[in-house]
Amino acid sequence: KAGVTQTPRYLIKTRGQQVTLSCSPISGHRSVSWYQQTPGQGLQFLFEYFSETQRNKGNFPGRFSGRQFSNSRSEMNVSTLELGDSALYLCASSLGGTGLRGSTEAFFGQGTRLTVV
Amino acid sequence: AQKVTQAQTEISVVEKEDVTLDCVYETRDTTYYLFWYKQPPSGELVFLIRRNSFDEQNEISGRYSWNFQKSTSSFNFTITASQVVDSAVYFCALSESGSARQLTFGSGTQLTVLP
Repeated sequence: KAGVTQTPRYLIKTRGQQVTLSCSPISGHRSVSWYQQTPGQGLQFLFEYFSETQRNKGNFPGRFSGRQFSNSRSEMNVSTLELGDSALYLCASSLGGTGLRGSTEAFFGQGTRLTVV
Repeated sequence: AQKVTQAQTEISVVEKEDVTLDCVYETRDTTYYLFWYKQPPSGELVFLIRRNSFDEQNEISGRYSWNFQKSTSSFNFTITASQVVDSAVYFCALSESGSARQLTFGSGTQLTVLP
């Protein structure tokens, strides 16, 4: 089956602009999580969506937001871009269960490389 | 608060050598999951293994093996007879929620296998 698809793969934006990244999870997966990866801070959790609702949020400013659609596809938006937002943004797809019964691995997309100039 | 520490920043080995990647974690939860992921240059994180806090049985899968010890809060990963294709960044991760929805990652270990 198809894996996690993230678009676009590469993006160059100017400071102050906003950007929207897209993630299509594996068919049947209802949870989508977003991560930011930078050389300085490593991999950091941004937020997680399940059935169109944000369930968890990491420690990021309000400029970072997201949403999930009824088909489980998710978008994340960053407004008023700063140079420090340059990063690889990874999306992870999972079934979305909780606890030991529902636990499952997360499958990652190849990411969107965002460069802010 | 949960934390994952991978003290080894970079490791270089010659092909066919065995290599162990260390991972130490901190959590106050009694129920948690530990993961290992591999990130090749393409950027995608590739899932390798998941272990829950109730399963301390170590596992061998082909050239890979894992050593989970709750007493020392460690979850180490060994590659036997390393190959050049094993070169990648390896991440250890922890989830207190009991699922893979929200992972706390270590800083990663860059493994380079030289021919």
